[in-house]
Amino acid sequence: NFMLTQPHSVSESPGKTVTISCTRNSGSIATDYVQWYQQRPGSAPTLVIYEHNRRSSGVPDRFSASIDYSSNSASLTISRLMTEDEADYYCQSFNYTHLVFGGGTKLTVL
Amino acid sequence: EVQLVESGGGLVKPGGSLRLSCAASGFSFSTFSMNWVRQAPGKGLEWVASIDSTSTYIYYTDSVKGRFTISKDNARNFLFLQMDSLRAEDAAIYYCTRDIYERRLIFLPDYWGQGTLVTVSS
Repeated sequence: NFMLTQPHSVSESPGKTVTISCTRNSGSIATDYVQWYQQRPGSAPTLVIYEHNRRSSGVPDRFSASIDYSSNSASLTISRLMTEDEADYYCQSFNYTHLVFGGGTKLTVL
Repeated sequence: EVQLVESGGGLVKPGGSLRLSCAASGFSFSTFSMNWVRQAPGKGLEWVASIDSTSTYIYYTDSVKGRFTISKDNARNFLFLQMDSLRAEDAAIYYCTRDIYERRLIFLPDYWGQGTLVTVSS
């Protein structure tokens, strides 16, 4: 099975743009869809982006995602940062028999 | 509105058993695949098990194979996780999740319950 690696933490100021990466260690990042989940403290995760770059219902267009073949990674970009975006973000993908999560990235909006 | 409500968590001794339940509503439960995902205190998300809509295909993460059993009751709209031979490292919040598409298991959770806490300690 493959692994997904995320930075442990990122921080940025309100109104700015931040990007969180998710690197796959084996196999192509494009082969299996990548999803992104947001988890606020004390709450269950919610789906933000699915199938590489499709926003889940109700997710503002400040959230976008992409795939980079050269680095074999996926990225979540949040623009016009708001304090409410402060949360843990997890990337996720799968193969035929397993579901894999990245280790999560703590986003601090300060 | 899709709702997933877990129950059955609690304190159990190492080597003990627990059965988690997830009551599903607001969608056609019998046509969706389901997953269990757990999160140890202060840690990240970890996939536990998945089951397709008709219980034909079932998958587990390696660390729970032979100890945990996922099952689905389409008549009553319930998902279960029978956990035996529990270890300290199984302590976590267990989330019930729905797979995104009907009649397909692609390991893509869209809706999540609020979770139930399992504590394993003597």
